[in-house]
Amino acid sequence: ELKVEQNPLFLSMQEGKNYTIYCNYSTTSDRLYWYRQDPGKSLESLFVLLSNGAVKQEGRLMASLDTKARLSTLHITAAVHDLSATYFCPPYGGSQGNLIFGKGTKLSVKP
Amino acid sequence: EAQVTQNPRYLITVTGKKLTVTCSQNMNHEYMSWYRQDPGLGLRQIYYSMNVEVTDKGDVPEGYKVSRKEKRNFPLILESPSPNQTSLYFCASSLLPPGQNQQYFGPGTRLTVL
Repeated sequence: ELKVEQNPLFLSMQEGKNYTIYCNYSTTSDRLYWYRQDPGKSLESLFVLLSNGAVKQEGRLMASLDTKARLSTLHITAAVHDLSATYFCPPYGGSQGNLIFGKGTKLSVKP
Repeated sequence: EAQVTQNPRYLITVTGKKLTVTCSQNMNHEYMSWYRQDPGLGLRQIYYSMNVEVTDKGDVPEGYKVSRKEKRNFPLILESPSPNQTSLYFCASSLLPPGQNQQYFGPGTRLTVL
C-alpha cells in the first residue's frame, strides 16, 4: 500500500528565509505532483514531476523528484507571506490511477 | 473558462436525510473523482469514474453512491448520511487517469451532518 509522509507537518518561518519540505512515499511510483491549498479553498496544481531526477521551478518554489529514494522535495527560497498555505505531494498510486495524498505540510510565513 | 463546479458549497443536514452533491466540468474530461478531506488525514478518494456509466470504488466508498450518466456530471449521493460523513468534499476531473496528468479540483463542499 502506497503511503505518503511529509516532513514537517507544520512549518512556521520568517519572510526571507529558505526552507525545504520533504515528501517520502512508501512504494515505487514514477511520478509525483505538488498541490497548494489555501485555507478553506480548493487545491491548485503547482508541479508535475514525471521522471527520476525531474526538477521544476516556479518563482520561489523548486520541486525535485528522486524515484529511487522515493523522495520529493519542495524548496522555498526567500519566503514571502503569500506562500502561506498547505502543500500536498501525492504520488501516482498506480493500481487504479489515483493519487495518494498525505496529511500535507501547513506552511506559515511570518513577517 | 475551464472549471469544475460543485453545488452546494455548504450544507448542513440531519442524519438519514438523503442528499446529493453535484459536480460538473466543462473540459470534456474523461476522468472524474470524489475526495473527502478531514483534518489530519489529507484527501482520500471516495469514487472515481473513467467515462460515462463506468465508475469504481476508491479508498473510502462506504456510505456513498455515484452515477455518471453524462460526461460532464458526476454527482455524489449520500442515501442516509451519518455524522461521520461530516467533511469537506472535493470533486476533480482530468483528461487522463488521475495519476497521469494534472487533476482540476472543484471549490469544495463543506458538509455537516447533525
